Amino acid sequence: NAGVMQNPRHLVRRRGQEARLRCSPMKGHSHVYWYRQLPEEGLKFMVYLQKENIIDESGMPKERFSAEFPKEGPSILRIQQVVRGDSAAYFCASSPQGQDFGEQYFGPGTRLTVT
Amino acid sequence: DQQVKQNSPSLSVQEGRISILNCDYTNSMFDYFLWYKKYPAEGPTFLISISSIKDKNEDGRFTVFLNKSAKHLSLHIVPSQPGDSAVYFCAASSITGNQFYFGTGTSLTVIP
Repeated sequence: NAGVMQNPRHLVRRRGQEARLRCSPMKGHSHVYWYRQLPEEGLKFMVYLQKENIIDESGMPKERFSAEFPKEGPSILRIQQVVRGDSAAYFCASSPQGQDFGEQYFGPGTRLTVT
Repeated sequence: DQQVKQNSPSLSVQEGRISILNCDYTNSMFDYFLWYKKYPAEGPTFLISISSIKDKNEDGRFTVFLNKSAKHLSLHIVPSQPGDSAVYFCAASSITGNQFYFGTGTSLTVIP
């Protein structure tokens, strides 16, 4: 059973470009969470999605960031017009159920570098 | 606003001895807590969890203790092994919430 997959593992973008990060949850998991880890900081929640629905996006910046989890295919975290401050490791996690007493399984992360 | 705090950024322990990693939280609504272990260039891996109805949960060499009145939890690893060297994150959530709040992590080094 493959774990959570994220690609690309490393992504370099120039300021002003768009970044697309992909996350394929574990088989059978229908809940996806995105976290961001800035240098020297812990993981910060960004968004929680189920298939075709955004459940909680309270941790996501209001501008330039969007996320989706379509019926078919991976979840996508999209960052438009990237800035240097977006440089971070972005982790996706999945779970087979909601947040009620269930651990999340993390992917290896995408390290975004904005030059 | 850091609702989950790990005040020790690093810890070194001799192989075979006990490692104690600490975590404090501020939100009294939190009722579910987890510990994750993270190696460089990998995602966090779930280690152990505890709900607020318990004050201790044990899994092999790993034991988590919860002190609700002090809003404090700790992870004990005994005996510590070199392979335990990693960054450990604690995380907290409430049953009514949709997200986990993570601490900043403690880097554990187990010296052979």
